[in-house]
Amino acid sequence: ETGVTQSPTHLIKTRGQQVTLRCSSQSGHNTVSWYQQALGQGPQFIFQYYREEENGRGNFPPRFSGLQFPNYSSELNVNALELDDSALYLCASSPQGVYNSPLHFGNGTRLTVT
Amino acid sequence: DQQVKQNSPSLSVQEGRISILNCDYTNSMFDYFLWYKKYPAEGPTFLISISSIKDKNEDGRFTVFLNKSAKHLSLHIVPSQPGDSAVYFCAASGAGNMLTFGGGTRLMVKP
Repeated sequence: ETGVTQSPTHLIKTRGQQVTLRCSSQSGHNTVSWYQQALGQGPQFIFQYYREEENGRGNFPPRFSGLQFPNYSSELNVNALELDDSALYLCASSPQGVYNSPLHFGNGTRLTVT
Repeated sequence: DQQVKQNSPSLSVQEGRISILNCDYTNSMFDYFLWYKKYPAEGPTFLISISSIKDKNEDGRFTVFLNKSAKHLSLHIVPSQPGDSAVYFCAASGAGNMLTFGGGTRLMVKP
């Protein structure tokens, strides 16, 4: 069984630029979520995708957007990067329709904005 | 406002003793609670969960207790091992499996 994989592992961008992070969900999982973990804090929910549509969003501005593809893989796009966007970005997958199923996380992408 | 809080940023325990990690929540709509463990440079790893219809769930050395009236949950690790040293996050969800995390507790188990 393949787990959640994310790419790249590390990324350095300049303020104002745009970035795309990628995630392949665990085999058999059709729901993908993205979380932002700032240094010293717990992960914060960005949004969730199911059947290629966003079906839940946390308190993040519209410059954070996403996509889910037919094979359940996903992208997180961030436009107009700000210094505060520097964080670990975590992707998680779960099987939809299974009540109270734990999320399985990838190892994350460490984004540094300078 | 922090809906899930872990008030102890760190905890140090001797190997073989019990580790107790605590978590408080404010949102009455939460009905599913989880504990994750995180090592540096890795994503959070699921440890154990509990539904709001239960007050205790056990899995090997790990037990989670839920006190709904106090909006409090705890994770007990017995016996603690050096390999348990990590950051532990509690998380809660209502409908839709969208998790709200606490700020984490760093557990250090000394040999």
